[in-house]
Amino acid sequence: SYVLTQPPSVSVAPGKTARITCGGIHIGSKNVHWYQQKPGQAPVLVIYYDGDRPSGIPERFSGSNSGNTATLTISRVEAGDEAGYYCQVWDSSSVHYVFGPGTKVTVL
Amino acid sequence: EVQLVESGGGLVKPGGSLRLSCAASGFTFSNAWMSWVRQAPGKGLEWVGRVKINTDGGTTDYAAPLKGRFTISRDDSKNTLYLQMNSLKIDDTAVYYCTALVATVNGFDFWGQGTLVTVSS
Repeated sequence: SYVLTQPPSVSVAPGKTARITCGGIHIGSKNVHWYQQKPGQAPVLVIYYDGDRPSGIPERFSGSNSGNTATLTISRVEAGDEAGYYCQVWDSSSVHYVFGPGTKVTVL
Repeated sequence: EVQLVESGGGLVKPGGSLRLSCAASGFTFSNAWMSWVRQAPGKGLEWVGRVKINTDGGTTDYAAPLKGRFTISRDDSKNTLYLQMNSLKIDDTAVYYCTALVATVNGFDFWGQGTLVTVSS
């Protein structure tokens, strides 16, 4: 089945930009969704359809997707952005929803 | 405001069964594909299965390793989603999240707070 890869961790200073990658074969041909999960809480959708933001998600969150890599970008990082981030796609060939392994973002 | 409230979790012995429920409100439940996602302690997210809306056939799909043991159903008259879990294994220990697929059928717009299922002797 389809496999997604993510770096285990990303560290970023407050006010800087964090970029979290999600790798997959020809992922650019799929719709990628991103979820934020803070400790002890349920995940929250932060980006859908590669780069759209649900209502209530700050403009600091953006996404892109091309080739074999999708990227979640968090601009002007704040302490409250410290969380796990998961990418996800729908794999039509296996009829499965697939999640990446997750990336832990640490704000220095 | 969308609310998804799971219930039914708890401690069960290996080989046992459990049925989880998810009460939905704040959106038109009958128009939303619904899904279960689980997360083992300290691990990542794992899709469990999905049920389509009745006008799309009301069919279900499951993660391959779980097919045959887990069954998802929905009662649109009660705005409730169910997950029947049989022949439970220790590896099924996880927080089980109810999710709603609203803006897109290939992503999870809304999540419940989850219910913990512990499989242990």
